[in-house]
Amino acid sequence: DAGITQSPRHKVTETGTPVTLRCHQTENHRYMYWYRQDPGHGLRLIHYSYGVKDTDKGEVSDGYSVSRSKTEDFLLTLESATSSQTSVYFCAISESAFNEQFFGPGTRLTVL
Amino acid sequence: DAKTTQPPSMDCAEGRAANLPCNHSTISGNEYVYWYRQIHSQGPQYIIHGLKNNETNEMASLIITEDRKSSTLILPHATLRDTAVYYCIVRGALNDMRFGAGTRLTVKP
Repeated sequence: DAGITQSPRHKVTETGTPVTLRCHQTENHRYMYWYRQDPGHGLRLIHYSYGVKDTDKGEVSDGYSVSRSKTEDFLLTLESATSSQTSVYFCAISESAFNEQFFGPGTRLTVL
Repeated sequence: DAKTTQPPSMDCAEGRAANLPCNHSTISGNEYVYWYRQIHSQGPQYIIHGLKNNETNEMASLIITEDRKSSTLILPHATLRDTAVYYCIVRGALNDMRFGAGTRLTVKP
């Protein structure tokens, strides 16, 4: 399995609080992605990174920001969490733009 | 919206081939077809991808029609562990990874 971890794995927080999710990889892959998955739906891309400090928006980026200061870490921040951001968040990595993506185990976030 | 159409569910007998169809009638010339699967609530797992030609790896085969408007993922000898949701994805840009609802494949003994 690709060396990719996510932390925390579970989090419960309250509306209006900031939340940061971390994705860490040991594969030295250039590309990293954040997705969310809601019941009955496939994954939707939030943000992605194509290098250190190089990021761009995905399909559902509103309410989220990201940062990548090192190759191995990609952070997803909810500046002020809302109940609509309750979801399972997956991080993925890929070596090149159109190679296969390897996914992390996911973070289950509940916003009360 | 996803660029693909898949049946919501399929069954397959253990040991038989599972053939999962995908329609992508609006695919462009530079767009790839990817297949991933997701078992329970785990992260999706890559299976295979292709552009024009048929592809095969240790997990599956991907058959793309000549007009590229549809494709079929073939699991040659399905096992119970292949029970999962299978996603067909058409992708041409870095931020264009849209999973859709997928096909829930149930492999039965």
